[in-house]
Amino acid sequence: ETGVTQSPTHLIKTRGQQVTLRCSSQSGHNTVSWYQQALGQGPQFIFQYYREEENGRGNFPPRFSGLQFPNYSSELNVNALELDDSALYLCASSLAGTGGREQYFGPGTRLTVT
Amino acid sequence: AQRVTQPEKLLSVFKGAPVELKCNYSYSGSPELFWYVQYSRQRLQLLLRHISRESIKGFTADLNKGETSFHLKKPFAQEEDSAMYYCALSLSGGYNKLIFGAGTRLAVHP
Repeated sequence: ETGVTQSPTHLIKTRGQQVTLRCSSQSGHNTVSWYQQALGQGPQFIFQYYREEENGRGNFPPRFSGLQFPNYSSELNVNALELDDSALYLCASSLAGTGGREQYFGPGTRLTVT
Repeated sequence: AQRVTQPEKLLSVFKGAPVELKCNYSYSGSPELFWYVQYSRQRLQLLLRHISRESIKGFTADLNKGETSFHLKKPFAQEEDSAMYYCALSLSGGYNKLIFGAGTRLAVHP
């Protein structure tokens, strides 16, 4: 069983730039959720993808967008980066319809915006 | 609004002492509560969920709907329990969104 993987591990961008983060879900999982974790805080839900469509969104502006591919992997795109976007971005996969709602997390991508 | 509160940022105990990590939630629906743990240099992982009513690594947590709490307890702390602990709430219906508390760092000293 392959766990959730994310790339890159670290990233440094300049304010106003765009960034794409990638996630491969755990084998057999069809749902991917993205979370933002600022320093000293718990993860905050950004959005979730199921069957290649956005299936729920947290309180994040439209410049945060995503994709899910037929192999269930996913991308998080952030446009017009702001300093406050500096955070650890976590991807979590799960299997829809199984109940229990357990999510399996990746190691995260640390984004620094300067 | 849905919210999870973990009042302690840091809980420091000695090995063998009892541990209680507090978690309170705010949600008008039927909640599903979880405890996630992050050990040093490891990814966030599920510790236990209230539905299962299980004990994992000696930890238990009981959902108290009257007090809207889901405190994590262990009678005798071990040094390997030192980690960051997050309480999380999953909303009923629709999609699988988790609302996390800010976390409590547990430090168990020898």
